[in-house]
Amino acid sequence: QVQMVESGGGVVQPGTSLRLSCTASNFSFSSYAMHWVRQAPGKGLEWVASILYNGFNEYYTDSVKGRFTVSRDNSKNTLFLQMNSLRREDTAVYYCTSAPDGDNWGQGALVTVSP
Amino acid sequence: DTQMTQSPSTLSASVGDRVTITCRASQSIDSWLAWYQQKPGRTPKLLMYKASHLGSGVPSRFSGRESGTEFTLMISSLQPDDFGTYYCQQYNTYPYTFGQGTKLKIK
Repeated sequence: QVQMVESGGGVVQPGTSLRLSCTASNFSFSSYAMHWVRQAPGKGLEWVASILYNGFNEYYTDSVKGRFTVSRDNSKNTLFLQMNSLRREDTAVYYCTSAPDGDNWGQGALVTVSP
Repeated sequence: DTQMTQSPSTLSASVGDRVTITCRASQSIDSWLAWYQQKPGRTPKLLMYKASHLGSGVPSRFSGRESGTEFTLMISSLQPDDFGTYYCQQYNTYPYTFGQGTKLKIK
């Protein structure tokens, strides 16, 4: 059974950094594009970033461009999201996922940006 | 960027009803559309991919159709477990975009 375990969430102050990790098991991680999707409290789903299977191409939503970096280590089946210059509006649960290419999701990592 | 306009935003229906949720893309996305169901406090669940392909383990009462840039998710006979919020997502071009969601309540 596929598992994706996220870590790295927490409470941080505006302007600081945080790094999320997502480690997959029982999954051909290196064959899939991977994505980060977030959900602010009480709000809908928002696509944040994607990285192709080989790590050669990255894509970002406009609001995080220049602040967030998605990367992956296929040797460790791990996806990362480096988040710098965090803002209050980045407060959300962050999910790693391979969807819509397979229904595989992390459990979600809560990031709270607050003074 | 491709905008996804989903309707209605809320929906209340009875068990056994036929339910339809619509998503309209601002430009052509071919068939690169997915539908998700999310229940409170849970991760999203993939219902449909490529507009009309049923996700793994998804009941056959769910179906998807497309007509140009308009996509519909249909539930043929609503069941109590179908409550939740439904989202469409286009994955034709980056940035991938979600619709704003449809909250489905069971009367």
